[in-house]
Amino acid sequence: EVQLVESGGGVVRPGGSLRLSCAASGFTFDGYGMSWVRQAPGKGLEWVSGINWKGGTTGYADSVKGRFTISRANAKNSLYLQMNSLRTEDTALYYCARAVDSSGHAAIDCWGQGTLVTVSS
Amino acid sequence: DIQMTQSPSSVSASVGDRVTITCRASQGISSWLAWYQQKPGKAPKLLIYAASSLQSGVPSRFSGSGSGTDFTLTISSLQPDDFATYYCQQANSFPLSFGGGTKVEIK
Repeated sequence: EVQLVESGGGVVRPGGSLRLSCAASGFTFDGYGMSWVRQAPGKGLEWVSGINWKGGTTGYADSVKGRFTISRANAKNSLYLQMNSLRTEDTALYYCARAVDSSGHAAIDCWGQGTLVTVSS
Repeated sequence: DIQMTQSPSSVSASVGDRVTITCRASQGISSWLAWYQQKPGKAPKLLIYAASSLQSGVPSRFSGSGSGTDFTLTISSLQPDDFATYYCQQANSFPLSFGGGTKVEIK
């Protein structure tokens, strides 16, 4: 069974940092691109960042570019999101998500349950 | 960057109705378009990829069409389980982007 389990969320002050992790299982992790997608309370889906199978190609939403960094460790079946200079508008449920192919810029066929990030003073 | 515009933002419909949701891309994306269904408190579920390909396990009452900039999701006969919010997403290139969502409500 394909599983994506996020961790690392929590409450942080504006300007602070957090590192999200996603543990993948049940599939060949290095065969797929991955993304982080977030959803603020009561709002729609916002794609945050994506990475191809090898980690050589990454993409970011304008709202997080220069502050967030996506990475992956294929040997550990893990995806990461380093979030710096956090703002109150970054408050959201963050989903780890698997693309349908190795490129990363593709439809998303598997989602974790999400980890909540709250940025508040 | 590619912006995705969905309409309507909400629709009220009855069981058995045909429901159509549209999505427009700010530039051509060929057929790199996906549709998702999301219910409250749950992760999204992939319904359609490559504009018109039905994801495995998704009922055939869901269908997608379009290419270039204009796309449509159709539910041929709305069922009680279909009341949810639907999102389109362009998969043409980074940065990816979602439409604002369409909430399908009970009439």
